[in-house]
Amino acid sequence: NAGVTQTPKFQVLKTGQSMTLQCAQDMNHNSMYWYRQDPGMGLRLIYYSASEGTTDKGEVPNGYNVSRLNKREFSLRLESAAPSQTSVYFCASSGGLVYEQYFGPGTRLTVT
Amino acid sequence: QKEVEQDPGPLSVPEGAIVSLNCTYSNSAFQYFMWYRQYSRKGPELLMYTYSSGNKEDGRFTAQVDKSSKYISLFIRDSQPSDSATYLCAMRPGAGGTSYGKLTFGQGTILTVHP
Repeated sequence: NAGVTQTPKFQVLKTGQSMTLQCAQDMNHNSMYWYRQDPGMGLRLIYYSASEGTTDKGEVPNGYNVSRLNKREFSLRLESAAPSQTSVYFCASSGGLVYEQYFGPGTRLTVT
Repeated sequence: QKEVEQDPGPLSVPEGAIVSLNCTYSNSAFQYFMWYRQYSRKGPELLMYTYSSGNKEDGRFTAQVDKSSKYISLFIRDSQPSDSATYLCAMRPGAGGTSYGKLTFGQGTILTVHP
């Protein structure tokens, strides 16, 4: 049981480049989330998917798009990366318990 | 003003000390209150949760919620070096509505317990 997996673990982009962060969970959870974590800002929700086929904006969606490919996978795309998107990105999933989210190990992204 | 405020610290204590971590919030709709622990370069993991007001104890950890003051606390007794981590409070409204399932996190408090 791998839980929540994220790829890649590290990435360096130049301003204007695009990339997709991948996330997969093997716990049969309905809901999945993308967060970014910056020093002094805590975890901020970018997008979430309450169930397969639905996505919704979180607190900081600008500059990002998401795709809920199937129940297991939820990807985050940066179309034109900016230095302000330098951050650690976490994917999470949750099942029937409304208070518990399971987090992946994170992707450390630097945009120069 | 953020919906959830948490002192980022850092907080440094000697082994065996009692640690108090706190968050305040402004949204009276919050019903579920959680504490997540995050070790360095790892994802957060759920430590404890409380529904509505009251106390909850789990080993050396006690979570308290005071909804009248919009204030939550996590106490760690007999702190250990292995407790060194970032502690994040998180909250969410009750079931139903458009906010269902979404957590609002505090900034996190960095705790170091030194031997």
